[in-house]
Amino acid sequence: DADVTQTPRNRITKTGKRIMLECSQTKGHDRMYWYRQDPGLGLRLIYYSFDVKDINKGEISDGYSVSRQAQAKFSLSLESAIPNQTALYFCATSAGQGNIQYFGAGTRLSVL
Amino acid sequence: AQSVTQLGSHVSVSEGALVLLRCNYSSSVPPYLFWYVQYPNQGLQLLLKYTTGATLVKGINGFEAEFKKSETSFHLTKPSAHMSDAAEYFCAVSSDRGSTLGRLYFGRGTQLTVWP
Repeated sequence: DADVTQTPRNRITKTGKRIMLECSQTKGHDRMYWYRQDPGLGLRLIYYSFDVKDINKGEISDGYSVSRQAQAKFSLSLESAIPNQTALYFCATSAGQGNIQYFGAGTRLSVL
Repeated sequence: AQSVTQLGSHVSVSEGALVLLRCNYSSSVPPYLFWYVQYPNQGLQLLLKYTTGATLVKGINGFEAEFKKSETSFHLTKPSAHMSDAAEYFCAVSSDRGSTLGRLYFGRGTQLTVWP
């Protein structure tokens, strides 16, 4: 089983719909991250959390919200999806030391 | 502030040829440097990292990178390319202090194609 699990792996939704992407980890790490990947732009940080009570905005948080339900779970929500949120979304975790991050397999989201 | 520039969004080599993927970084504090690889339909996998100590770092699958502070570079090399190396490669910078603590800043990626 994967250490960092993202669900769903693929999602198609319509403009204006609320959608939640989920991430869970079995690595016991305290830090969790959400990124989006667009072709030619690399990965950009949406939100990150260093523990359950600590949530921080990344570079591109507008239009997104997160919830850290437990140390092992970090969810990303799009309150009202729009087409330019069509992208590949990655969750990552880190134990902090050395800042090595471990990634899930990604969620491919299409907003029509 | 920290940032990464990867020179060349696409690199093509023949099987058996040298692979060189370029990465330059900007950091106001001593950096941690990383190379990640992404195979099709997969997440990112750590290839190698530099935190402190030896500036020549060896990673998985025969890759290595050298941290050159004077040139602010962390180029990735492999002496002999294999077909299985075809993937997208990302350079990233981080640090353990300041406002960027715990964050990774990625370059835009380099797509490596290996020709038979």
